[in-house]
Order: sequence, then C-alpha cells, then structure tokens
Amino acid sequence: QVTLRESGPALVKPTQTLTLTCSFSGFSLSTDGMCVSWIRQPPGKALEWLALIDWDDEKYYSASLNTRLSISKDTSENQVVLTMTNMEPVDTATYYCARSWGSRRLDDWGQGTLVTVSS
Amino acid sequence: NFMLTQPHSVSESPGKTVTISCTRSSGNIGSNYVQWYQQRPGRAPTIVISEDNHRTSGVPDRFSGSIDSSSNSASLTISGLRIEDEADYYCQSYDSSNPVVFGGGTKLTVL
Repeated sequence: QVTLRESGPALVKPTQTLTLTCSFSGFSLSTDGMCVSWIRQPPGKALEWLALIDWDDEKYYSASLNTRLSISKDTSENQVVLTMTNMEPVDTATYYCARSWGSRRLDDWGQGTLVTVSS
Repeated sequence: NFMLTQPHSVSESPGKTVTISCTRSSGNIGSNYVQWYQQRPGRAPTIVISEDNHRTSGVPDRFSGSIDSSSNSASLTISGLRIEDEADYYCQSYDSSNPVVFGGGTKLTVL
C-alpha cells in the first residue's frame, strides 16, 4: 500500500524559507521510472504543480517559481524535501506531494499540509 | 509553456449527463496523455481517468474520457449523475519541457 505524508511548519513569516518533507512508504524512489512531485493549492483556488524529482535524481521546476524552489530526495529515508525561499502571503496554500511511476499521471497523493504565510 | 483551459463551473441535474472540456493552448492534445482528477471539499485529488480514457480501478463506468484533435481538447463525461459526483475536476497533461500542467479546474454542481 502506497502512502505519502507531508510535514512542515503550519505558519511561516514573510521572507522566510519554507521546508517541507514528504515521507512515503510502499514504494522506492530508486525504482526506475519513479517520481515524486510537489503541488500546491491556495484556498479556494486551483492546483499548481511546483516541482518533480525522479529516480535518477533529475529535477524539474515550475518556470514561474524556478528561482525559489529546490527539491531533493533521501532514498534511504524514503523522503523528498522541498524548500521554497522568500515566502509571501500569496504562497499560503495546502501543499501536496504525489507519486507517479513510468508516466506523468499522479497516482497517489498525500493528504496535504496547510501552510500560512503571515507576520 | 502551454495552458489547459477548463470552464469554471458546470451544473446538471441528477441522472443527466455532463461533459467537462479541457482545451490545450498549444501543441497537439494527442501528443501527450491527459489525466482527470476529482477533488472533493477538504480532500486531496484522486485520479479518475488516466491516459486519455482509462478509468482508474474503482471508478464507475459512468465516467469516461476522450480527446478531440479538431478542437485540441480533452473531455470528461459523467453520465447518470449522482449527488456524490459533485466535486472539482482537474485535467492534467505534460510535454517535454513541462512534466505536469494542470487545468484551472471545473466545479461540478449536481442540483
């Protein structure tokens, strides 16, 4: 059974750096074709893809947020970490991690974690 | 970068059929698979259609997906609407430069 769980601070101040961890089980990120993405959703708004890391440590970022994002993996710990710098109130959102394997469909999602940016 | 455009909202009565469109702004809709996700309030999205027209295990056959090259769009059709189908629906695709692109989402109201 595949599970993913996001963790991180619920509240960050403007200009701070956000660090989120996706802890997963039921699959290995060293398996050929395996990928983990981060997606966010501001309250009442649409899904927005942020970043993806694959089994071969290739990394992809949203063009609009590229300069603020960094994604990394710890295969032995079954974790993927996303950092986002210079947080602003507009970055307030629920942040999800999701798994894909051999394709670009997001088969399994975590429950999401709400991050509020406020002073 | 390409965009996927969906209607903001659709509504229909129980038992009827509704179709949600997803139009690709550039590039051929048939070049890359389209997925559809259902998101109920307060919940994470779940995939209902993958690779244009494949229903995920457990998704009723009332749900179907298709693509239309002439309009460069994908569609999600739900027949025999039920109250529990009320949710937000998102299309998703990709290309060689953009691994994941979401549409803006469509709110389905079953009234």
